[in-house]
Amino acid sequence: EAGVAQSPRYKIIEKRQSVAFWCNPISGHATLYWYQQILGQGPKLLIQFQNNGVVDDSQLPKDRFSAERLKGVDSTLKIQPAKLEDSAVYLCASSLAESSNTEAFFGQGTRLTVV
Amino acid sequence: ILNVEQSPQSLHVQEGDSTNFTCSFPSSNFYALHWYRWETAKSPEALFVMTLNGDEKKKGRISATLNTKEGYSYLYIKGSQPEDSATYLCAFVDTGRRALTFGSGTRLQVQP
Repeated sequence: EAGVAQSPRYKIIEKRQSVAFWCNPISGHATLYWYQQILGQGPKLLIQFQNNGVVDDSQLPKDRFSAERLKGVDSTLKIQPAKLEDSAVYLCASSLAESSNTEAFFGQGTRLTVV
Repeated sequence: ILNVEQSPQSLHVQEGDSTNFTCSFPSSNFYALHWYRWETAKSPEALFVMTLNGDEKKKGRISATLNTKEGYSYLYIKGSQPEDSATYLCAFVDTGRRALTFGSGTRLQVQP
């Protein structure tokens, strides 16, 4: 089965610019997550979707970050405008079940560098 | 904010050594505990999802135990191989948010 696809793999932008990341989850997976992983730290949940509805976005900096999941399948995460501290790996993951007692499948991530 | 801690932060062992890491998490509102392996330039990959106190799971040379009452899980690797070199992440799920809260990981390097 195809895994979680993310693009781009790498992105370098200047501060105050905008950037968007794309994620295509495993077919049939209802739950989709976006995580931010800053060097030396564990992944931090930004937003969790159940189909195309938001379940948890409590840690999403809503003044600059936005995310959507179109038709309950693909998702995009946008940062506008970017700050230096947004430099991180952005991971997308999906899982079959609605609850979090089954494994999540991760994409390879997008490494963002803000200069 | 949930506190999930992993120790040690990093570990260097020789090929053939056995090793273990610890994940500490809140002992209340437990729902599930996940373990993932993250190799450089690859995707994090699930090792185990544990839901019951006293659970023990095994996959090849890797095993894990769970104590929800005291809030810890151990991951064991028997006879480490260079291909085991990776960052090992645990993630706690509570009954409220049902979201994965990750620790900062244990980085393992196995020297041939």
